[in-house]
Amino acid sequence: QVQVVQSGAEVKKPGSSVKVSCKASGDAFHSSTINWVRQAPGQGLEWMGGLIPIFNSPNYAQKFQGRVTITADESTTTAYMELSSLRSDDTAVYYCARDDLAAQGLMAYWGQGTLVTVSS
Amino acid sequence: DIVMTQTPLSLSVTPGQPASISCKSSQSLLHSDGKTSLCWYLQKPGQSPQLLIYDVSSRFSGVPDRFSGSGSGTDFTLKISRVEAEDVGVYYCMQAIQLPHTFGQGTRLEIK
Repeated sequence: QVQVVQSGAEVKKPGSSVKVSCKASGDAFHSSTINWVRQAPGQGLEWMGGLIPIFNSPNYAQKFQGRVTITADESTTTAYMELSSLRSDDTAVYYCARDDLAAQGLMAYWGQGTLVTVSS
Repeated sequence: DIVMTQTPLSLSVTPGQPASISCKSSQSLLHSDGKTSLCWYLQKPGQSPQLLIYDVSSRFSGVPDRFSGSGSGTDFTLKISRVEAEDVGVYYCMQAIQLPHTFGQGTRLEIK
């Protein structure tokens, strides 16, 4: 059974950066798709970007271009999402999710979410 | 970006009764390979989203067969044949034919 485990909650100051980790078990991490999705308080889901580790060529939503960096370490089957120049409206739960052989490229297995609070 | 529009935004259903959610996309989700990249997620209260349906009508592993998806092109529907108490939460459709993946606003299902 695939498991996705994320790092713990963070409190950050405006203008700083946050790096969230996501350890994904299961077969073929290197060729899986890891996506990052965020959810502001009381709001819907918003795709931020994704990566296939073996290609190491992430795609980002235009909204986050220049502020987000998604990487992966195949040796530890861990993906990372770093968001810089944090603002108060970046306060959200950040999810990572990996795909499945049947549902390729999609968010099939989700982490528990990481709450990032941006506050002065 | 492709805009996904769900209706209704909320619904209240008696256990054992059916429920239906509509999702419309601003452009066709039909890929050149013949697949249509539309999926449905359920986010139960206090939980992470979970994949229910992908490629319009394929149920993901472990999803009960009371959930079904249908549609084509730009119009899609999620149906629950007999709603159970555990089906409470917010349902989202999402398109995966084009980046960025985009979600509908969500439909909140509550039990009467």
